[in-house]
Amino acid sequence: AQSVTQLDSQVPVFEEAPVELRCNYSSSVSVYLFWYVQYPNQGLQLLLKYLSGSTLVKGINGFEAEFNKSQTSFHLRKPSVHISDTAEYFCAVSDQNTDKLIFGTGTRLQVFP
Amino acid sequence: DTAVSQTPKYLVTQMGNDKSIKCEQNLGHDTMYWYKQDSKKFLKIMFSYNNKELIINETVPNRFSPKSPDKAHLNLHINSLELGDSAVYFCASSHSETGYGYTFGSGTRLTVV
Repeated sequence: AQSVTQLDSQVPVFEEAPVELRCNYSSSVSVYLFWYVQYPNQGLQLLLKYLSGSTLVKGINGFEAEFNKSQTSFHLRKPSVHISDTAEYFCAVSDQNTDKLIFGTGTRLQVFP
Repeated sequence: DTAVSQTPKYLVTQMGNDKSIKCEQNLGHDTMYWYKQDSKKFLKIMFSYNNKELIINETVPNRFSPKSPDKAHLNLHINSLELGDSAVYFCASSHSETGYGYTFGSGTRLTVV
């Protein structure tokens, strides 16, 4: 069965600093990978996704993620964060045979001035 | 606006009551889902429907019954509500072709007292 691990439950960072949110997945089949963001009291919004092709994926709001098959990772990065990036970030995986999306436990990014 | 819309946004009710949450999407997607997000922000799939047919039914109590009158609607009815049902329930939709990711509604916060 697929699973997603987000090792960091919280990541505090100062404004304009770089950030990396880690995500590892386990699957024996080819997968699709996603990052979603959830702002307080809102639904989930798709940040970016990896389906195939280039392993570096660029998303909205200046975020990017790199798919690393050998390390089964899909870490999310941003070179300079803003206060408005404070939110919960979820990594998710689905395999190419089903449409079921499995989520990690989330990482709370807290940006301080 | 094109979106996934859920009603109500907030629902406070007493134990033992029966309640329904409605979901509608106008994105032309053919698959819809219900997810439950618990107090620790963990997201777990409950059901998915494709063109009004039940595709995924995770281990959910029989008190939860989804109903899909057409592919644009997926409602969730909950009988005999319990304290442990308190959570945020998210509706989502997607294309049946895998890899597109989901579009989420803004959630329904259910509080059982």
